[in-house]
Amino acid sequence: QQQVKQSPQSLIVQKGGIPIINCAYENTAFDYFPWYQQFPGKGPALLIAIRPDVSEKKEGRFTISFNKSAKQFSLHIMDSQPGDSATYFCAASEGSGNTPLVFGKGTRLSVIA
Amino acid sequence: ETGVTQTPRHLVMGMTNKKSLKCEQHLGHNAMYWYKQSAKKPLELMFVYNFKEQTENNSVPSRFSPECPNSSHLFLHLHTLQPEDSALYLCASSQGYSGRYGYTFGSGTRLTVV
Repeated sequence: QQQVKQSPQSLIVQKGGIPIINCAYENTAFDYFPWYQQFPGKGPALLIAIRPDVSEKKEGRFTISFNKSAKQFSLHIMDSQPGDSATYFCAASEGSGNTPLVFGKGTRLSVIA
Repeated sequence: ETGVTQTPRHLVMGMTNKKSLKCEQHLGHNAMYWYKQSAKKPLELMFVYNFKEQTENNSVPSRFSPECPNSSHLFLHLHTLQPEDSALYLCASSQGYSGRYGYTFGSGTRLTVV
């Protein structure tokens, strides 16, 4: 059973565009939602995270939008650059702290000049 | 470097070989993880250790055997593997089991079974 559904599987955008990656979940016990970025040959690295008490969080060109009622959250990359080309994973964890992070299946982003 | 070091970076082994993957962290984290990354299942959790105790084993075949001698070191012992076991094996650590302070991943071991 996939607890976090991520889409699209792959995405190609022009430089300067705003790619959007979406994730949806069912478990209402989830209360922490991070995004990880993975470059080829490297492990995933924490990019940005949000808790459900806010609807949006920005860090530089990266923004998470969170819709608690719809149980959805998304990553937006403003003014995307070729260096943003990577695989992005959304994830979720429960407030109990008794289970590890649940990851989505990833989105391979290519930003072309 | 992320603070989580995995060795070797690349490994080619025959189906009858025995080898071990090593992971080391000196971040003071108490939880360590093994993930398998392949095209079919991008981040597949294999094992979790929390304070050196194994807390998760996601139906992993017995040809994979983890070992956590202390909170800084994690091993994955491999024997009689199959070609479908070829993948990137990632180690991660975290402060706290749920990853609310972030998982720190190593760069992985690229395993090829021939």
